[in-house]
Amino acid sequence: DVVMTQSPLSLPVTLGQPASISCRSSQSLEYSNGNTYLNWFQQRPGRSPRRLIYMVSNRDSGVPDRFSGSGSGTDFTLTISRVEAEDVGVYYCMQGTHWPMYTFGQGTKLEIK
Amino acid sequence: EVQLVESGGGFVQPGGSLRLSCAASGFTFSDYWMHWVRQAPGKGLVWVSYINTDGRDTNYADSVKGRFTISRDNAKNTLFLQMNSLRAEDTAVYYCARGWSATEGPAWWGLGTLVTVSS
Repeated sequence: DVVMTQSPLSLPVTLGQPASISCRSSQSLEYSNGNTYLNWFQQRPGRSPRRLIYMVSNRDSGVPDRFSGSGSGTDFTLTISRVEAEDVGVYYCMQGTHWPMYTFGQGTKLEIK
Repeated sequence: EVQLVESGGGFVQPGGSLRLSCAASGFTFSDYWMHWVRQAPGKGLVWVSYINTDGRDTNYADSVKGRFTISRDNAKNTLFLQMNSLRAEDTAVYYCARGWSATEGPAWWGLGTLVTVSS
């Protein structure tokens, strides 16, 4: 099975400062069609997960442009350009390339310093 | 508006059974792959199972294989998860989620339903 490893697991950030979360996969996430199926989710406290980014770098509808995704192969990054109070929560990466099994990272808890 | 509403969670003893439902609205249910994902208290997200659009293709995480069965009723816009031989480690919030294709995975999530397995 593909293992997804996130770092850091805890991320204290000052309001208005940037934040980055790393996600590494144990196997390449490039699919046979050339696409890479790596998604990022946000889970605010007490809420359901919400997808922010799909296929590495595509923002979902309604997601602020301060969120961006990048990477290729086995190394991926979620970046928040300027952290706001509403960004507090846990962030997960997830791979769909190696279906029929889907795997999530352990989660990164973002908090305000 | 897209809505996924789970129900059927509750308290059950080890070895017992529960059937979860997920009522879908606001989109063409039969066009989407559907997933169950769970989250144990204070823990991360774990994919449990998927079913394709016509219900003929399914798969399960190793931890639930042989005990859980996913199914769907496209006429009633409802997804199900039959859970048998429940264990304490199955205690979690169970989310249903839709996805457009196999590789997309779970994309839009419901609110979740809590399953507690305890004696």
